[in-house]
Amino acid sequence: NAGVTQTPKFRVLKTGQSMTLLCAQDMNHEYMYWYRQDPGMGLRLIHYSVGEGTTAKGEVPDGYNVSRLKKQNFLLGLESAAPSQTSVYFCASRPGLNYEQYFGPGTRLTVT
Amino acid sequence: AQKITQTQPGMFVQEKEAVTLDCTYDTSDQSYGLFWYKQPSSGEMIFLIYQGSYDEQNATEGRYSLNFQKARKSANLVISASQLGDSAMYFCAMRGGGTGANSKLTFGKGITLSVRP
Repeated sequence: NAGVTQTPKFRVLKTGQSMTLLCAQDMNHEYMYWYRQDPGMGLRLIHYSVGEGTTAKGEVPDGYNVSRLKKQNFLLGLESAAPSQTSVYFCASRPGLNYEQYFGPGTRLTVT
Repeated sequence: AQKITQTQPGMFVQEKEAVTLDCTYDTSDQSYGLFWYKQPSSGEMIFLIYQGSYDEQNATEGRYSLNFQKARKSANLVISASQLGDSAMYFCAMRGGGTGANSKLTFGKGITLSVRP
C-alpha cells in the first residue's frame, strides 16, 4: 500500500493564481482531512469529508474549496492564491473514530 | 467546542532519561479520544499512541505511555529512556464523540523536545 500520497510536494504560486492539491489514499478510508501547518500554530483543519460525496468546513476554510468525488481522492483548491496561504498542507485519512489519522508527506506551498 | 492546550516551552532531556510532555484538554463530550503524534525535522507526522475516554488503563506503546487523568482533563505523554531520535515536535490531539462534525481531530500547538547526548 502506498498509504496517503499528496501531489505536488512543492509549489510556488503568484498572487491570484489558482491550483489544486491532490490527496489520494489506497486504504479504503471513509474520513479524509486537509490541514495547514504554520509556525507556532500547530495543525489547523481546513476542510474534511466523512465519506464519498460529502465535505464540511473546518476551522480555517476561507479561500479554499474541496471535492470528494471518489472515495480515494480528496482535492483541495485555491481559486485565487494569497500570500497568507503560504503554508505546509497535510492531507490525512482514517477508517473510523477510534483510529489514528494517517498523514501524507505534506505539500509546501509558497505564494509570492 | 473542543480545545487542546500544550503550553510547555521547548523541552530538553538528557539521553536515556524519561520526559513528560503535558497536554490538557477541554470537551463536553462523554466519549472522546486522545492522540499523540511526533513530527521530526523531516516533516512527516508519526502516530504514537491513542487513549479512549472509557479505557480503564493508561495506554502504552513501547517506550511511550499516556498518563491519562480524566478528572484533571490531562493526557500527558511519557517517553522513557529518551533517544537522540526522539528530538522532534510533539502534538496532542483530540477527537469528539459521535460522527459527522465530531469526526475531526483538534490539535494542540505542539511541544519541541530536544534530547541531549
